[in-house]
Amino acid sequence: GESVGLHLPTLSVQEGDNSIINCAYSNSASDYFIWYKQESGKGPQFIIDIRSNMDKRQGQRVTVLLNKTVKHLSLQIAATQPGDSAVYFCAENESNSNSGYALNFGKGTSLLVTP
Amino acid sequence: NAGVTQTPKFRILKIGQSMTLQCTQDMNHNYMYWYRQDPGMGLKLIYYSVGAGITDKGEVPNGYNVSRSTTEDFPLRLELAAPSQTSVYFCASNGAGGGGQPQHFGDGTRLSIL
Repeated sequence: GESVGLHLPTLSVQEGDNSIINCAYSNSASDYFIWYKQESGKGPQFIIDIRSNMDKRQGQRVTVLLNKTVKHLSLQIAATQPGDSAVYFCAENESNSNSGYALNFGKGTSLLVTP
Repeated sequence: NAGVTQTPKFRILKIGQSMTLQCTQDMNHNYMYWYRQDPGMGLKLIYYSVGAGITDKGEVPNGYNVSRSTTEDFPLRLELAAPSQTSVYFCASNGAGGGGQPQHFGDGTRLSIL
């Protein structure tokens, strides 16, 4: 079946550097994409989302880029801080599908911020 | 705001036992979901509900049952616990529109079947 996957399982960055986490998806009908942050022992926490009619969206210190041509999604974190250390998941769905709008999750990338 | 609340946080069951994982949300969301997360993996959908009285199967429903008698509550039932059901279970909800809206997650129930 179609899936959402991540290029790198782990990413180590120095405090203050920018982080880029990548995600590939295969369902060409996907029109909603979302990034979650999951800290140890916690549930996924919403970071930022983007719809397929956009190619870039910015939040506070985070930017999501969507390239529909190559089915690629990325999360950029500016000036990475120790508190950003966590597992990051991308997820997608077809917002008008009959599946009840459930999200299809990738496996996650572990981000480690070193001093 | 409490958001999505799950109980219990941890539980150990013996093979063949049954239990109910509780989930409640105070955001008046119509859509609710149950996922399971195995170590090093993403979340897989077990069941979902688009409103009170309406439930449907997700990707991995075998061994589970759900009910949705109220907007707030969406319990997940394991009837005959098996080792393969050892996992972390997350409940989530979102509001009007369902698709294209962020889902809000609880902090999970960590379940071990021995």
